This record gives sequence, structure tokens and C-alpha cells, in this order.
Amino acid sequence: KAGVTQTPRYLIKTRGQQVTLSCSPISGHRSVSWYQQTPGQGLQFLFEYFSETQRNKGNFPGRFSGRQFSNSRSEMNVSTLELGDSALYLCASSLVGGEKLFFGSGTQLSVL
Amino acid sequence: QKEVEQDPGPLSVPEGAIVSLNCTYSNSAFQYFMWYRQYSRKGPELLMYTYSSGNKEDGRFTAQVDKSSKYISLFIRDSQPSDSATYLCASLSGGSYIPTFGRGTSLIVHP
Repeated sequence: KAGVTQTPRYLIKTRGQQVTLSCSPISGHRSVSWYQQTPGQGLQFLFEYFSETQRNKGNFPGRFSGRQFSNSRSEMNVSTLELGDSALYLCASSLVGGEKLFFGSGTQLSVL
Repeated sequence: QKEVEQDPGPLSVPEGAIVSLNCTYSNSAFQYFMWYRQYSRKGPELLMYTYSSGNKEDGRFTAQVDKSSKYISLFIRDSQPSDSATYLCASLSGGSYIPTFGRGTSLIVHP
């Protein structure tokens, strides 16, 4: 069974640009969550989608948005990038959400 | 104060040692407790999952939850250099879909 696939693996952008990250969950998983990971803050929850609906949202500004498609694939978008957005962005899928998350390898975003 | 606290380490031990990794939490509603292992440049992978209090063993790994003291532990027996990674604890309350993660403890097992 294929794992969670995130693309791209690495991304370099400049301040003010926008970026879209993609996540393909494990087949059959309907919940997709996004996390931001930095050395100082650890794993911070961005949002979670279940059956194309945003079910939970973390405390991030509106520049961070996402969506989920009917095949459960998900994208997250960050507009007007700031230097502080440099981080590893992780996607996790699960059957229904909660205690057993399967993570992708992440997208390492660098904002210059 | 974060709901789940974890010492970031690093914790350095010789090969073959017994490793003890710990977390504390503050939310009494937490019922599910997980340990994830994260290698460098990879995403976390679920290592152990426990419901409520008690012990759970899987090979060299034992997860222990003491709800009375709000303490979560992961023990690794006969540690190997391949165990070198960051270990994140996570907790989840019933009815919630979003676990709360600790910041992770970096473990280094040297030959």
C-alpha cells in the first residue's frame, strides 16, 4: 500500500510570493491534516479536512488555506509568504482522524 | 504552558542501553497516547499507541501511561544506533480528531 505522498519535497520562494503544496493520502483515508514543523515550535496544527470539508482549524492566519478534493487528495496554499513561514510542512492522513496518523515526508519550504 | 511537555534533549546513550523517554500532560480529558518516531528529513511514523492507563509492549519498545500523575513514558531496550531519531509523544481526548504533540526528544545512540 502506497504511503502518503507530498510534493514537492523542497521549495525555495521569496517574500511576498505564494505557494501551493500537495498531498496524496493513503488510499481509503478520508482525513487529511496539515502541520507546520519548526525547530523552535515543534509540530503545529494547521487544519484538517474530512470528506472535502474543513473539520478543524489551528491558530494560523488567513494566509494559510487548504482544500480537499473528492479523491481525498489535499492542497494547502500560503499567500504573501513571510520569512517566518520557512518550515517543514507535513501532511498526515488517517481513516477518520485522531490517534493513528500516517505522515508524508514533508515539503521543506525556505522563504528568502 | 503547552498541554504536552517534553524535554528536547538531546539524550545520548551507548548502544545496548535502556532508554527512557518521558512526557507530561495537563489535560485530564486525554485518553489516547501515542509515540511517533521521526528520522532526519522524514515525517513522523507511529511507533506506539495506548488507550488510557497501563503498559503496552511491542518488541524492544514499551509504552507506559500513568493518568494519575499525567505521565507518559517510552522505554527502549537494547538500544541500537538505528534508534537515533526524534521521538514525539502525542495525546488525544475522546471525540477529538486532532492530537496534541510534544516538541520531541532527540535521541542519539552511539556505537
